[in-house]
Formats: sequence, C-alpha cells, structure tokens
Amino acid sequence: ETGVTQTPRHLVMGMTNKKSLKCEQHLGHNAMYWYKQSAKKPLELMFVYNFKEQTENNSVPSRFSPECPNSSHLFLHLHTLQPEDSALYLCASSLGVAGAQETQYFGPGTRLLVL
Amino acid sequence: QKEVEQDPGPLSVPEGAIVSLNCTYSNSAFQYFMWYRQYSRKGPELLMYTYSSGNKEDGRFTAQVDKSSKYISLFIRDSQPSDSATYLCAMSVWSGNQFYFGTGTSLTVIP
Repeated sequence: ETGVTQTPRHLVMGMTNKKSLKCEQHLGHNAMYWYKQSAKKPLELMFVYNFKEQTENNSVPSRFSPECPNSSHLFLHLHTLQPEDSALYLCASSLGVAGAQETQYFGPGTRLLVL
Repeated sequence: QKEVEQDPGPLSVPEGAIVSLNCTYSNSAFQYFMWYRQYSRKGPELLMYTYSSGNKEDGRFTAQVDKSSKYISLFIRDSQPSDSATYLCAMSVWSGNQFYFGTGTSLTVIP
C-alpha cells in the first residue's frame, strides 16, 4: 500500500457530464501531483501543488480544473471532456519539490472513459 | 524529438534470464535518473534512482547511466515471474520538479 488513495477507480462519463476525481495521501507529504497516462505515451504531468499552492500547470485544457484544499487532498474536476481525454489519471505525492531527489509516491489511478 | 525514448516492447523472457531495459534521452542537463515499476492496475512505484553517471546495484537490480551516450539501463538478474510489469524510466534536471518519463517497457517473465 503506497499511502496514496484515489477514488473512483473507474469512471465512465459522457462529454456533457461533470465529475470529480479525488486523491488523498496519508504520508504527511506537502506536494501533490496529477498525471495523465495514455497507452503508448509517456506519463504527462498536468498539475503540481506545493503546500496547497499550484506551482505547475503544464498547458492543460481548462476542462480540467484542479483543487487542493489542504496538503492531504487533491481533486481534479472534469467537465465537457473529449473522447481523447480517456486515460489513466494518476495522483502522486512527495515530501517536497525542492529537488529532483524527492521521491514521488503514486496512487493506483482512476481509469477514465469518455463516451 | 521526444525528451525520453523507450522501447515499449513487449519483452518476454524465461525465468532466470538476465533482462536489460533501456532508455535514451536528448537533454544533456538531466542529472537524476529513475526507474519505476508498474504492475497491472496499479500506480508506478519507484524501483531505483541514480544521480549522474555510473552504476547502482540493489539486490537483483542494477541501474546504469552513461551520460556521454545519453543512455540509461536497468538490468534484472535471475528474473522472476513476479518481475512481470511495465518498467518506466524517468529523469529530471537536478533543481527542477519536472520529471520526464519514457513510455514504459512491458516485461513478462515466463515460469
């Protein structure tokens, strides 16, 4: 068990739906991340939060909206998604973002299918 | 050109074989190199990390970095069926929090 949980594990939604992905870390970490993992593609970093403040937004479309109410919880709000947004969405956390040596611990992911 | 290139496989080997997994990269500023293992239906877990060139050994796993060739490798000795997973390489510049991942290599170890 990595200490990072994600819900739901699977989600099917239509293009007009609004849904949210939830991530919770029980490791006492201060940084949290959202990644997108698509088949045959590298992991794509979407958002980074450090001490609840967003520090990275890698040109992610506005139909993805992150929220970090505290250092333990991270949400990804989804609306008017496209079929090409179907992927595995991974949450990760690390103690800090001060250097590349900060190990990131990943959750099991949410498998999203957009119809 | 992609930052990190990794052969997606799939790679299938008999139990006990030595496995070699590789990545190449284009950014000479990368200093920190990692290997993650991802089992089916799970998130990636950090397997090993190395800083700059050289070798690092941990049990049956050896990570190797050749910065002059921009090439990293992960060797698995005496491979076991439990090693069957997707292996992702990742790397970053020392002072940044942006990790660049390969596409992952799918490995199956046949009993």
